[in-house]
Amino acid sequence: QSVLTQPPSASGTPGQRVTISCSGSSSNIGSNYVYWYQQLPGTAPKFLIYRNNQRPSGVPDRFSGSKSGTSMSLAISGLRSEDEADYYCAVWDDILTGPVFGGGTRLTVL
Amino acid sequence: EVQLVESGGGLVQPGGSLRLSCTASGFTFSDYWMHWVRQAPGKGLVWVSRIKSDGSGTTYADSVKGRFTISRDNVKNTLYLQMNSLRAEDTAVYYCGRAAGWELPDYWGQGTLITVSS
Repeated sequence: QSVLTQPPSASGTPGQRVTISCSGSSSNIGSNYVYWYQQLPGTAPKFLIYRNNQRPSGVPDRFSGSKSGTSMSLAISGLRSEDEADYYCAVWDDILTGPVFGGGTRLTVL
Repeated sequence: EVQLVESGGGLVQPGGSLRLSCTASGFTFSDYWMHWVRQAPGKGLVWVSRIKSDGSGTTYADSVKGRFTISRDNVKNTLYLQMNSLRAEDTAVYYCGRAAGWELPDYWGQGTLITVSS
């Protein structure tokens, strides 16, 4: 059971906007920067969002992150077939003194 | 180009030991903290351990504390994970990742598979 809670699945049609949520607590999301990773099938995780809402170079602006209290969200607009992947939220946890990950959300593009 | 290449994975019996390596290139290795994260088959990502840039500080997940040791050689640009007393539940793909200080990792290697089974 993960410290961070994500829905196990999400779906959308091409062009649609989808949102993936992640809830935590005051010791992690409530007090630290949040991150998102994308993992395509059979590949390593890819850095998607850092410091709540910043995108590394090369990540399209269709991806955006937000944080409110002890929850965080990833929004993907203009959904494309290549966005079909697993998405993980992650954040440093002050009690565990290490990063914690959500259980992952499998995004299906219908 | 940033590259992280893990090696050392394989099949090991319960109670056995294994040492993973992660060779870095394309950046100044000694400037970055390094992490190990693992992913059991069909499961999510789980953080294992991290080490500061100069090797002065290490942290472990409770599940591996006392059994795994993270270390680094900043001359060889290599990160290590010594894994002892391995259990079936340690079976996973192990990824190394680099991080700028207290940030979470921005680059990951391709991973190496550890299978603990008799």
